[in-house]
Amino acid sequence: KAGVTQTPRYLIKTRGQQVTLSCSPISGHRSVSWYQQTPGQGLQFLFEYFSETQRNKGNFPGRFSGRQFSNSRSEMNVSTLELGDSALYLCASSRDGANYGYTFGSGTRLTVV
Amino acid sequence: KNEVEQSPQNLTAQEGEFITINCSYSVGISALHWLQQHPGGGIVSLFMLSSGKKKHGRLIATINIQEKHSSLHITASHPRDSAVYICAVGLIQGAQKLVFGQGTRLTINP
Repeated sequence: KAGVTQTPRYLIKTRGQQVTLSCSPISGHRSVSWYQQTPGQGLQFLFEYFSETQRNKGNFPGRFSGRQFSNSRSEMNVSTLELGDSALYLCASSRDGANYGYTFGSGTRLTVV
Repeated sequence: KNEVEQSPQNLTAQEGEFITINCSYSVGISALHWLQQHPGGGIVSLFMLSSGKKKHGRLIATINIQEKHSSLHITASHPRDSAVYICAVGLIQGAQKLVFGQGTRLTINP
């Protein structure tokens, strides 16, 4: 079966711009969660969506937002990009969150210059 | 103090050696996950544990809920096992999210 697909794989943006990342989960998975990975902070939880509703949110500023569509595909948006937003952004899909196991995508590597 | 602590942070071994990576956590959990990340970034889920022991090929994961401790073992290690291994826990209260350890960078030399 197809895995979790994240697009694009690589992205270079300028400070102040905004960016949208996409995640298509495994068919039948209704939970999509997003994570940021940086060398200094490691992996950190951004937010989780389930059936088009944001169910949980991490400690990130309001510039980070997301949504989930009826087909469970999810997007995350970062507005007014800062240099510190440069990171690997990973999404993971699950049937229903932390008790059911996760499948991760390959990530989107965002570089802000 | 981090809610999830891994040790060691870096580990270098020779091919064939038995490898152990440890994970301790300080919160109530619903499940513990062991993840593998190769250079390039993609993460593969190796195990999800809520009790006992699981085995997949040369990999074994154990968890002791009372001691809040888990170990990942690799038998007959091989250079292709070189990767970062990450312990993550699903919290028992509230959020459907993972809290991660800082990872263990494993290098297996031929």
